[in-house]
Amino acid sequence: EADIYQTPRYLVIGTGKKITLECSQTMGHDKMYWYQQDPGMELHLIHYSYGVNSTEKGDLSSESTVSRIRTEHFPLTLESARPSHTSQYLCASRQGYQPQHFGDGTRLSIL
Amino acid sequence: QKEVEQDPGPLSVPEGAIVSLNCTYSNSAFQYFMWYRQYSRKGPELLMYTYSSGNKEDGRFTAQVDKSSKYISLFIRDSQPSDSATYLCAMSANSGAGSYQLTFGKGTKLSVIP
Repeated sequence: EADIYQTPRYLVIGTGKKITLECSQTMGHDKMYWYQQDPGMELHLIHYSYGVNSTEKGDLSSESTVSRIRTEHFPLTLESARPSHTSQYLCASRQGYQPQHFGDGTRLSIL
Repeated sequence: QKEVEQDPGPLSVPEGAIVSLNCTYSNSAFQYFMWYRQYSRKGPELLMYTYSSGNKEDGRFTAQVDKSSKYISLFIRDSQPSDSATYLCAMSANSGAGSYQLTFGKGTKLSVIP
C-alpha cells in the first residue's frame, strides 16, 4: 500500500498569505504530481516531477510553484493566496511504470 | 468535446445490486485505463488497472475495456454500503517514464442503500 502524506489536511487562511502545502512519500518513488480537484470536476494536473531537481507545469495553469530537492518531498507554494485558489489539492507519486497513488489531499479555503 | 466523459450520477442502488459504471473517451491513443475509488474527504484509491482491450477481474470488481468503441466499464457485483463512494475513471496514452499524463473523468457518485 502506498504511503503518501499531505499536510495540513485542512487550511483556512486570509488573502495575501504565503502558503506551503506539504507532500511526502516513504516509498522512494521517483515521480510525483500535484492535482487540483474542485467539486464535480475532473482532477487537473498542475505540477509534476520526474526526480530530484526536475519540475514541470501541468495542463492547468496555476500560480503555484513547486520544488523537488529530496526524492521523498514535493512541496507546493502559493506566494500570495487569493479566493480563486480555494480548492482541494491532491499529491500523487509513482515508480517506473506503475500507476499513481494519491494522498488524502489538502482542502484549502482562502477568505 | 472533453477527452473523457463520465456520467456524474448520482447513482443510488439497493444493497446486493450489480452496479455498472462507464466512461467514454475520444483519444484513440489511450491504452492504459484505471478506476479509482474516492471516499468523502479522502484521496483517490486505485481499484483496477488494465492495459488495452479486455476484461480484468478482482473479487467483486470487473473492469472492461472496449477500445474499438472507446468505452470502459467497471462492474461491481453484490454491492455493499461500503462501496458508497465516487468512482473516477482515468486513462493515459502510455506508461513510459518520459511522459505519463492521466486524463480523468468527473467521477460518478454511488450510494448503496442497505
